[in-house]
Amino acid sequence: EMQLVESGGGLVKPGGSLRLSCAASGFTFSNAWMTWVRQAPGKGLEWVGRIKSKTDGGTTDYTAPVKGRFTISRDDSKNTVYMQMNSLKTEDTAVYYCTTVGYSYSLNFDYWGQGTLVTVSS
Amino acid sequence: QSALTQPRSVSGSPGQSVTISCTGTSSNVGGYNYVSWYQQHPGKAPKFMIYDVSKRPSGVPDRFSGSKSGNTASLTISGLQAEDEADYYCCSYAGSYTWVFGGGTKLTVL
Repeated sequence: EMQLVESGGGLVKPGGSLRLSCAASGFTFSNAWMTWVRQAPGKGLEWVGRIKSKTDGGTTDYTAPVKGRFTISRDDSKNTVYMQMNSLKTEDTAVYYCTTVGYSYSLNFDYWGQGTLVTVSS
Repeated sequence: QSALTQPRSVSGSPGQSVTISCTGTSSNVGGYNYVSWYQQHPGKAPKFMIYDVSKRPSGVPDRFSGSKSGNTASLTISGLQAEDEADYYCCSYAGSYTWVFGGGTKLTVL
């Protein structure tokens, strides 16, 4: 069974940093493109960023509000994708979900984790 | 990228049909056949319901269907059931391997 488990969320002060992890199991992680999607309290979903598989170049891209502050990386030996979040702002407060992209259904967010809550507050 | 436009809420009685619209631009919804829909119950992760505009992943009931005309995609739920009450989000590929979501629609089953 495919599973994605996020961790690393918590309370951090504005300007601080946090690293989220997403551990994958039940599928060939190295072949998967991965994304992060976030949801602020009481708000809608927002695509945050994406990393391709290494065979497809391993490149990343991000939504404008987090460019230059967030960095997605992957360790295929650990079946894990990470998101380093720096210079955090209060508006980054959200539940962060990791998802696969097109693993079974092309260019769609087909499998989701349960999410991890990040709270940015002084 | 601006969010796609969805109605804030829709409602229907059990057994009826409802349609949720999702309006974008030629740079996203109108330009690609990669529109997907997600169902989210309170406190839960989103569930993948429709992909490539109108296809259903394995396990999704055929009461759920999708379509697109121009820059507007739609999700139709027929034979409404109480468990369909949830938030629904559309999402479109926006080129260069980036995506944009709609603002979400709250479905109430009366």
